[in-house]
Amino acid sequence: GAGVSQSPRYKVTKRGQDVALRCDPISGHVSLYWYRQALGQGPEFLTYFNYEAQQDKSGLPNDRFSAERPEGSISTLTIQRTEQRDSAMYRCASSPMAGHQPQHFGDGTRLSIL
Amino acid sequence: SQQGEEDPQALSIQEGENATMNCSYKTSINNLQWYRQNSGRGLVHLILIRSNEREKHSGRLRVTLDTSKKSSSLLITASRAADTASYFCATDGGSNYQLIWGAGTKLIIKP
Repeated sequence: GAGVSQSPRYKVTKRGQDVALRCDPISGHVSLYWYRQALGQGPEFLTYFNYEAQQDKSGLPNDRFSAERPEGSISTLTIQRTEQRDSAMYRCASSPMAGHQPQHFGDGTRLSIL
Repeated sequence: SQQGEEDPQALSIQEGENATMNCSYKTSINNLQWYRQNSGRGLVHLILIRSNEREKHSGRLRVTLDTSKKSSSLLITASRAADTASYFCATDGGSNYQLIWGAGTKLIIKP
């Protein structure tokens, strides 16, 4: 596609539910990144893929968070047993080559946990 | 944890004036980038400056980098209402993929 596409744009769910956030990177981009951004703050790194391989997941807050990119294109970030503190904007970015800058961002998914 | 710190946190100026924002960071870098975030939208890349560069221009944007002071500045000349946004600096912190961000400067351009 023309840009990075994230869905849904907004997600409201009850505490304890699982959520899956989707990212469709720019076509042909090798690298894909997930960030989380709290209100009034800059993004914080969560995880990074080259093709289908998850290269770094050190930013995932705990084991309720996981991400996959099974075919090296679309990626899903899954949060299990959501908690209120998980509420944030979740941002996905992609770049053409491994470690290439700049990163191109989607509009994000605003997640609200009630 | 966040590496960069933008200064000021908020800036309000009249249309046509110049806006200057500063960023400080903590570790050595390969490059530093500036992004803009309009309300409710994605982050848009503005400019990238490499660690061996001291100044870079792009249209009305001018970025400087002082690696000895671990600081950068973004100057927007002849500001327009459409420049109203939050501006973030991001560094690679020496890695080739993980961007480390400041908390941003909120810029308001008054017509």
